[in-house]
Amino acid sequence: AQSVAQPEDQVNVAEGNPLTVKCTYSVSGNPYLFWYVQYPNRGLQFLLKYITGDNLVKGSYGFEAEFNKSQTSFHLKKPSALVSDSALYFCAVRDADSSYKLIFGSGTRLLVRP
Amino acid sequence: EAGVAQSPRYKIIEKRQSVAFWCNPISGHATLYWYQQILGQGPKLLIQFQNNGVVDDSQLPKDRFSAERLKGVDSTLKIQPAKLEDSAVYLCASSSAVSQYFGAGTRLSVL
Repeated sequence: AQSVAQPEDQVNVAEGNPLTVKCTYSVSGNPYLFWYVQYPNRGLQFLLKYITGDNLVKGSYGFEAEFNKSQTSFHLKKPSALVSDSALYFCAVRDADSSYKLIFGSGTRLLVRP
Repeated sequence: EAGVAQSPRYKIIEKRQSVAFWCNPISGHATLYWYQQILGQGPKLLIQFQNNGVVDDSQLPKDRFSAERLKGVDSTLKIQPAKLEDSAVYLCASSSAVSQYFGAGTRLSVL
């Protein structure tokens, strides 16, 4: 069965510093991986996805993610954090066994301090 | 293009009452999903529609939850009777291919 793990409940970073939000996955077959961001009282906003191709995927708002097959990881990164990046981030994998539903991690809260 | 629309945004009910949520997906998206997001957790799929047919409802508590998608466009999710543990945000999403796009959700509080 597919699963996703986000090992950090919270990540704290100073504005202007690089940030990394970690995600590891377990899938049978080729993974379809996603990152979403959730601001307070808002739905999930799509950031980026990996299906195939380059291991470094670029997405919205300056975010990127690196797919590492050997480490089964898909970490979210940004070279320079903004206070406005503070939000809840979810990693997800698409279930290829049946309905292609998304299976989400438990989320990581990113706090960027001024 | 317009996003996924959901209503109401908030709902407070007492246990054993019934409640219904409405979703209008992005125009042209054949696939519609309802997810339940309990506080502190990631969203969990309740039901998936392809046009007006159910693809996956394996995690839907069918004794109290029901959903329909008449004419393959709008969808409603109903809970009857509600329990305290149903307090959560109910998210609707739609997709035409790989990526899913989410509405703002309905926050349900069961007292």
